[in-house]
Amino acid sequence: GAGVSQSPSNKVTEKGKDVELRCDPISGHTALYWYRQSLGQGLEFLIYFQGNSAPDKSGLPSDRFSAERTGGSVSTLTIQRTQQEDSAVYLCASRPSRVNTDTQYFGPGTRLTVL
Amino acid sequence: KNQVEQSPQSLIILEGKNCTLQCNYTVSPFSNLRWYKQDTGRGPVSLTIMTFSENTKSNGRYTATLDADTKQSSLHITASQLSDSASYICVVSTSGGGADGLTFGKGTHLIIQP
Repeated sequence: GAGVSQSPSNKVTEKGKDVELRCDPISGHTALYWYRQSLGQGLEFLIYFQGNSAPDKSGLPSDRFSAERTGGSVSTLTIQRTQQEDSAVYLCASRPSRVNTDTQYFGPGTRLTVL
Repeated sequence: KNQVEQSPQSLIILEGKNCTLQCNYTVSPFSNLRWYKQDTGRGPVSLTIMTFSENTKSNGRYTATLDADTKQSSLHITASQLSDSASYICVVSTSGGGADGLTFGKGTHLIIQP
């Protein structure tokens, strides 16, 4: 079946502009995660959705970052007034449930470049 | 604070040789440990998962070990191939905490040379 998809694959924007990144998780997966990966760095947790529960936003670096998940499926990560330090690869992952042994399935990522 | 440390940060070996990647963690309470492989420009893909009671688990040429007493894990790659060039990420899961209890290492960047 189809895996996790993300769009766009690449995004170049100017400093100060807003961007929206999209994630389509695997159908039926209740858990959805957003991560940021800067060059040479590990994955940085941003936000986590589980079913209808309130999202865990503890990783969002500033109030310029927000995310929503509509209908328990597609998720959008929005970055307002982008800064050069926002340049990174943004990865989305979904998981069948929040059972600890469930595997996370990652999308290919969106490479964001802020000029 | 839960932490996962991986070593080495990067490694270059010749095709056909073996190598071992290390992962040390301070995560409590421990639930499981997973190794991911991340090819350049792709998302990570799970290789193995190990729970507290498991010492060794293999997936083809990849063998992971876990010592829950010393809180160490290793990933051994046998007879390396060019396609093994990737970043290898260790992820430790706990039953609580932020990000759904997942703590990620920064990864080991492995390069296989012909």
